[in-house]
Amino acid sequence: QVQLKESGPGLVQPSQTLSLTCTVSGLSLTSNSVSWIRQPPGKGLEWMGVIWSNGGTDYNSAIKSRLSISRDTSKSQVFLKMNSLQTEDTAMYFCARNFYGYNYWYFDFWGPGTMVTVSS
Amino acid sequence: DIQMTQTPSSMPASLGERVTISCRASQGISNYLNWYQQKPDGTIKPLIYYTSNLQSGVPSRFSGSGSGTDYSLTISSLEPEDFAMYYCQQYDSSPWTFGGGTKLELK
Repeated sequence: QVQLKESGPGLVQPSQTLSLTCTVSGLSLTSNSVSWIRQPPGKGLEWMGVIWSNGGTDYNSAIKSRLSISRDTSKSQVFLKMNSLQTEDTAMYFCARNFYGYNYWYFDFWGPGTMVTVSS
Repeated sequence: DIQMTQTPSSMPASLGERVTISCRASQGISNYLNWYQQKPDGTIKPLIYYTSNLQSGVPSRFSGSGSGTDYSLTISSLEPEDFAMYYCQQYDSSPWTFGGGTKLELK
């Protein structure tokens, strides 16, 4: 059974760096890709970036300069680091698996999300 | 970036009613369009992938259609558990983008 679960600090001060972990089970990171997606309170979803099954990454150009996604395959964990946090980065942060088929893909399993508040 | 515009942003509806949610892309996306449901507790699950393919386990009252820039999600007869947020998402080109969401509310 595929499961993903996000964890993080909850509260981050402005200008600091956010570090989040997505722990997965029921799948191998060497054959699956995982994305980070966030949702500000009362707003819509924003795809942030993906770490591919081969370890390569792609980021949303809007936040690319601040974002880094990495993984530890032995621990089944995917990491997100984003620097220079501002209040507008306050959001629920989700990780999700990218499921691929012929000529299609979608996010098929999502974690429950972890709330991050940027405030002094 | 491809902008995804969902309409309406909120929709009051009754049990048993047929409803349609629209999603318009700022450019053609070649049917590379998915739909998701977000429940009030925040849980997100896929409903439809590649415009019209039903995710396993999703009831057949859900259906998707469209082409080019215009897509839609239809629920043929609303059940109590369908009152939630719905999002479309394009994957024609990066960054992959979502619509602003449609809140389906009980009338």
